[in-house]
Parts: sequence; structure tokens; C-alpha cells
Amino acid sequence: EPEVTQTPSHQVTQMGQEVILRCVPISNHLYFYWYRQILGQKVEFLVSFYNNEISEKSEIFDDQFSVERPDGSNFTLKIRSTKLEDSAMYFCASEGPGNTEAFFGQGTRLTVV
Amino acid sequence: GDSVTQMEGPVTLSEEAFLTINCTYTATGYPSLFWYVQYPGEGLQLLLKATKADDKGSNKGFEATYRKETTSFHLEKGSVQVSDSAVYFCALSDLRGGGKLIFGQGTELSVKP
Repeated sequence: EPEVTQTPSHQVTQMGQEVILRCVPISNHLYFYWYRQILGQKVEFLVSFYNNEISEKSEIFDDQFSVERPDGSNFTLKIRSTKLEDSAMYFCASEGPGNTEAFFGQGTRLTVV
Repeated sequence: GDSVTQMEGPVTLSEEAFLTINCTYTATGYPSLFWYVQYPGEGLQLLLKATKADDKGSNKGFEATYRKETTSFHLEKGSVQVSDSAVYFCALSDLRGGGKLIFGQGTELSVKP
């Protein structure tokens, strides 16, 4: 069964460092998303991406965040200068054409120290 | 804006007990509604969904009915198992394709033998 794959599963980084979280969506999917879940809290939408551009972003997704699909398969989330409060589980999701089901990856746990 | 409210957890039940997890929503349009499950240490998995009023989603013995008149999508299971222990998230999406998911805060379920 096709699945969304995220790497790494866990990343520890120092405050102020740049991190790139990687995702391989399901191959025929068109819509791509990043969500985050701070420990013990709800899952929050960060950004959606369609047709090689951001279609919607939340207030959380400020100038420190960026997304791109560099090679038509990977979908990355970059945080330029990490803060302690960026520590969370980050989930990638993708959705195919004409349906309402998003498939989630296993998540990357980011710990900023 | 659109929002989802779930009953507070944790919920602790004995095996074979009846489960209800309440979920209500606020939306301006006609959203699709979802239940996602997160098993310990894993990502989010779609459990069931309903895309229009009076639809019933079902999977693995779980059911939920889209009630427009009460803006609710309560999750039920007649007889829970220890393996059902997980965090359950109610969510809505306001577009058919390409719409972000808005999640409730999650309800932790613990089933004891």
C-alpha cells in the first residue's frame, strides 16, 4: 500500500540552527501539507502546497519557515533559525485528486535544545 | 473560523465496554468530517470519514454519523479492546480536495483488560 514517508524520524538541533524535514508523498498525489503537534497538544495546520506553490498557510508559518518540492518527489519543510518552541512532532500529509482523504507520514520529532 | 471540540480525556474503559467520544464542530460551509487515530509512537491514521449530512462512517467496529442539525460527529464502538488504546482526533476539512484539516484537541483512550 502506498504511504507517505518522512525522514528523519527524530532530529535534535541547537537553537538557532537550520533544519530541513523531508517527506516523500504518495506518487500521484497533488496536495501536500505540513502539520505540527506540540507534545500533549492538538495537531495544528502549518501550510498547504499545490501546483508548486503555497495555497494556504497558518499564522504559525512565519518567515522562519519555508517549503519546497525540489525534485517533483520530495517535499521539504525548512526552519531557518530554530527556537525552543519549535520542538514538536511534524507531520507531512498528501492528498490525491478528487478525494477528501489526507494520508499522513509517521512524523519527525524535532527537539530544539 | 472553523473549529472542532472534543470531549476531554483521558477516557479509561474496561475491555468490552461501550465507547463514545463526543465531537462537535463549527463551520460556515459543509465540511467533511473525519476521525483519525494515533497509536503510541506512531503517526496519524484515518479511522473513518463522512462527507455529507447523515452519512455514517465506519471502520474496525467504530462508527460515527454526520449530524448537521446538532453539528456533531460522535465516535462510538460497541465493545472496545485493549488494542484500541490510542489518541483519537476528530477533524474537519472545508474543501473537497486541497483543504486543510482542522483538528480537535484529541481524546486519549486507555482500555484495561
